[in-house]
Amino acid sequence: AQTVTQSQPEMSVQEAETVTLSCTYDTSESDYYLFWYKQPPSRQMILVIRQEAYKQQNATENRFSVNFQKAAKSFSLKISDSQLGDAAMYFCACNNNDMRFGAGTRLTVKP
Amino acid sequence: DTGVSQDPRHKITKRGQNVTFRCDPISEHNRLYWYRQTLGQGPEFLTYFQNEAQLEKSRLLSDRFSAERPKGSFSTLEIQRTEQGDSAMYLCASSFGLARGTDTQYFGPGTRLTVL
Repeated sequence: AQTVTQSQPEMSVQEAETVTLSCTYDTSESDYYLFWYKQPPSRQMILVIRQEAYKQQNATENRFSVNFQKAAKSFSLKISDSQLGDAAMYFCACNNNDMRFGAGTRLTVKP
Repeated sequence: DTGVSQDPRHKITKRGQNVTFRCDPISEHNRLYWYRQTLGQGPEFLTYFQNEAQLEKSRLLSDRFSAERPKGSFSTLEIQRTEQGDSAMYLCASSFGLARGTDTQYFGPGTRLTVL
């Protein structure tokens, strides 16, 4: 089974600046999907971005983009032009017949 | 589409009581998942349905836990003889896809269980 590691329990960013959240994973499979989910305080988990492992091009969704390094099994999330509403727990997940989540990174956005 | 809904949002119970949670997935989603999330952790997989069939159960799902999805639509998760260690957020997610592992899961707001 795969494991997912988020090495940054907490991160902080100034409003309008850029922040990168780290994620590494370990899987023996060659085909899998990677996700970043956002969970605001006391609110539900929302899908931020998805990356199919067979695609070389990094996924982007507006201010959110990923740096997917398949050989290194790394999947970082970059948030550009950070907004106060970006403050949340961010979970990295790897899905290959079994969705595994990291422990999360708490992002604080300072005005 | 209103997304995945869960009921109740909060449940406080005494140790030893039974509780039941409900999840209504996004319509036409054929897969439904249950997860448990404790404070400061990511969700942990409990069980999953494809249509009405329960295809996989985690080791975390003890004999006191049972889940159903009788008509392939909504699902219920029952915990019998609750213990304090059952206190957690129980999340439901749904997806559509032909093969597990290639689907994108959409989450409900969760049911927060507190066992006194």
